[in-house]
Amino acid sequence: DAGITQSPRHKVTETGTPVTLRCHQTENHRYMYWYRQDPGHGLRLIHYSYGVKDTDKGEVSDGYSVSRSKTEDFLLTLESATSSQTSVYFCAIRTRRGAEIDTQYFGPGTRLTVL
Amino acid sequence: AQKVTQAQTEISVVEKEDVTLDCVYETRDTTYYLFWYKQPPSGELVFLIRRNSFDEQNEISGRYSWNFQKSTSSFNFTITASQVVDSAVYFCALSAGPASGGSYIPTFGRGTSLIVHP
Repeated sequence: DAGITQSPRHKVTETGTPVTLRCHQTENHRYMYWYRQDPGHGLRLIHYSYGVKDTDKGEVSDGYSVSRSKTEDFLLTLESATSSQTSVYFCAIRTRRGAEIDTQYFGPGTRLTVL
Repeated sequence: AQKVTQAQTEISVVEKEDVTLDCVYETRDTTYYLFWYKQPPSGELVFLIRRNSFDEQNEISGRYSWNFQKSTSSFNFTITASQVVDSAVYFCALSAGPASGGSYIPTFGRGTSLIVHP
């Protein structure tokens, strides 16, 4: 357990509305990631962060933005949700210490439905 | 570019059978990490194992074993005497290693769905 929580765990929203998903970690990890998981596509990276206010794009970043104002929180925002963003979203951290250094551990996921 | 191929999209076995999940990878990095994750029906992603590219020793953990062969770029996962609780989607992943200067962002395979029937 890497001390990662995600909120909300489930959300239903309408097309065109803004949505923010929160990832919170308690172990002071520097690296955090947002993925989406869709059938037939596996896990795809949306954005990642390598420190407070330091973020970069992943392979499917269009339509998403992120913010990291403090180490423990990494926010994913859909400025104007579309039905194609219906997915399960996972947050992850990367360990930088211990026997499993450089391993990603995942949060429980958020199931987002855009109607 | 990195690539991970899990050619088996779904495997169905009967309890107590042995089953092997295949993972083939491609990378130009000189050092790299390989991972396996489990996603049970409840949906969470559970880390199972990480292997460094310079360590080709096979690993066994209870009923689970992993066979890493650099010569064939494979990192296969075997479950011995499968149980219903092993039913899940299993993901193989690859990231750059500590000496490659890479970003450590894993590339995931598309997963293999294992169904174990009682």
